[in-house]
Amino acid sequence: DTQMTQSPSSLSASVGDRVTVTCRASQGISNYLAWYQQKSGKVPKLLIYGASTLQSGVPSRFSGSGSGTDFTLTISSLQPEDVATYYCQKYNSAPFTFGPGTKVDIK
Amino acid sequence: EVQLLESGGGLVQPGGSLRLSCAASGFTFSSYAMSWVRLAPGKGLEWVSGIGASGRNTYNADSVKGRFTISRDNRRDTLYLQMNSLTADDTAVYYCAREGGWNRFYFDYWGQGILVTVSS
Repeated sequence: DTQMTQSPSSLSASVGDRVTVTCRASQGISNYLAWYQQKSGKVPKLLIYGASTLQSGVPSRFSGSGSGTDFTLTISSLQPEDVATYYCQKYNSAPFTFGPGTKVDIK
Repeated sequence: EVQLLESGGGLVQPGGSLRLSCAASGFTFSSYAMSWVRLAPGKGLEWVSGIGASGRNTYNADSVKGRFTISRDNRRDTLYLQMNSLTADDTAVYYCAREGGWNRFYFDYWGQGILVTVSS
């Protein structure tokens, strides 16, 4: 099975900073990669699918890139409401594995 | 408005069984694949089981193979998860989630989640 890893596991940044989270697949998954945001005690929210397509209603400061095995989620200007754990997920074939998550908070 | 409402969670002893249900509304349930995803205390999201729109194709994580069975009733717009031989490692909030369409197993709508606690 394809394993998903994320780095860093956590980060702390200032409001307005550019933040990048990396996701790596152990085998190529083309662009079958989604990103989710989960705030504490809340339901996960889809941010990006197809590695780079922004889900409707998601602020444009979020963007995704990558293909094959290496992917990134970028927040262009970190806002206080972006404090959350971010997960990548592969969906090219079962099992539809999530990455371990990256916790983002404000410095 | 898409709504997914889980039920059937609670406290169960190790080795016991539980059946979760997810009632769907606001979309054509029979046109979408569905999945169960869980969040254990202090852990990350874990995809558990998925089922195609017709119910013919099912998929399971290795951690639940042989113990959990996903099914659906398209006449009742309801998704199920039968969980047997439960262990403490199955303690989690379980979410019902709808796939993004055309059997693309990313998840655009989620239920509020239901807590399952396995403990003696």
